[in-house]
Amino acid sequence: NAGVTQTPKFQVLKTGQSMTLQCAQDMNHEYMSWYRQDPGMGLRLIHYSVGAGITDQGEVPNGYNVSRSTTEDFPLRLLSAAPSQTSVYFCASSYSTSGRYEQYFGPGTRLTVT
Amino acid sequence: GQQVMQIPQYQHVQEGEDFTTYCNSSTTLSNIQWYKQRPGGHPVFLIQLVKSGEVKKQKRLTFQFGEAKKNSSLHITATQTTDVGTYFCAGRGQGGSEKLVFGKGTKLTVNP
Repeated sequence: NAGVTQTPKFQVLKTGQSMTLQCAQDMNHEYMSWYRQDPGMGLRLIHYSVGAGITDQGEVPNGYNVSRSTTEDFPLRLLSAAPSQTSVYFCASSYSTSGRYEQYFGPGTRLTVT
Repeated sequence: GQQVMQIPQYQHVQEGEDFTTYCNSSTTLSNIQWYKQRPGGHPVFLIQLVKSGEVKKQKRLTFQFGEAKKNSSLHITATQTTDVGTYFCAGRGQGGSEKLVFGKGTKLTVNP
């Protein structure tokens, strides 16, 4: 199993550009989520999904969209990039939505918005 | 909303010294998880605590969940250079909440 994969690893965007961060998992996990990590801020939940076709907002959803058309994939779309979205983005998945299972994190995407 | 506070933010120790990080939630938790993130890496799951007053050990690491299920701690005995990294707690609220709220983490550095 590859686990949780994320692409790209690094990205530089100009203000106003849009892009999609890709996330895929091959563990047949129901639950997937996106976090952003900023220095001194820990991990903040952006959006999450409890299964294909079901998504919900996390702590910091503004400026981001998600969709979950398949169990495996959970892309994160930046609609109009802003410097405040410069961050490291982690995708994570877990076995179940029961809330009692560990999360597996991808390697992260380091995004810089100029 | 639910908040998880973690202290200290930074801890520098000499190799062989003990280390403890504390986690406090504003609300009662259904369970708490601990993760470790090495420099430049991604968070990796260490353990989950579910029961009130639960204590679990992994070699030199001891994890505790408070009786009221609102606080937790991670204690490392006799730190080694391999313990370097940031330790995060993450709590899930009660009532079927699907959101895992992370503390800001404690960054541990170990002087050999």
